[in-house]
Amino acid sequence: KQEVTQIPAALSVPEGENLVLNCSFTDSAIYNLQWFRQDPGKGLTSLLLIQSSQREQTSGRLNASLDKSSGRSTLYIAASQPGDSATYLCATRGSQGNLIFGKGTKLSVKP
Amino acid sequence: NAGVTQTPKFQVLKTGQSMTLQCAQDMNHEYMSWYRQDPGMGLRLIHYSVGAGITDQGEVPNGYNVSRSTTEDFPLRLLSAAPSQTSVYFCASKLGNTEAFFGQGTRLTVV
Repeated sequence: KQEVTQIPAALSVPEGENLVLNCSFTDSAIYNLQWFRQDPGKGLTSLLLIQSSQREQTSGRLNASLDKSSGRSTLYIAASQPGDSATYLCATRGSQGNLIFGKGTKLSVKP
Repeated sequence: NAGVTQTPKFQVLKTGQSMTLQCAQDMNHEYMSWYRQDPGMGLRLIHYSVGAGITDQGEVPNGYNVSRSTTEDFPLRLLSAAPSQTSVYFCASKLGNTEAFFGQGTRLTVV
């Protein structure tokens, strides 16, 4: 059964810092991996989707990488801003076509 | 495109009452699903549908019913609300192994 873990559960950084969020999964036979952002009291906003055949995807200041052999994905955020403060979730496809989520990393970027 | 639309945004029910959470998408996605999000538990799959007329159970289906009469709509019914069903509910849709899109959520309190 696929399990997804995100460590740390919370992270606080000063504005301007480059940072990396981690996501690990137990079954390397994945279809894809998706990163989401969730603001307090809001829904999930898709940030990046990496297919299993890809190594990385980029969108603006965000870069997500995927290493299936080690069961890891990372989300790199360059030049962090207070507006980046949110909970970041990673998810991979389960056997029912659903998404299996980690519990998220709550990021706080201090001005 | 409106994406995934959920109604209502907030709801308070008394124990034993029934209600329907609405979900509609305008992207012609064949796959739709319902999740609940609880503190410390993350997002868990309730029910899902791979197309009109086809539904199946997820990880936590008890106390909930679904139907899928059209591609666009996937309502979630609470048959007899219980305090344990107090949660935030999210509807999601996707096409094959592409990016999943989420609604803004319904915050449900059962008293």
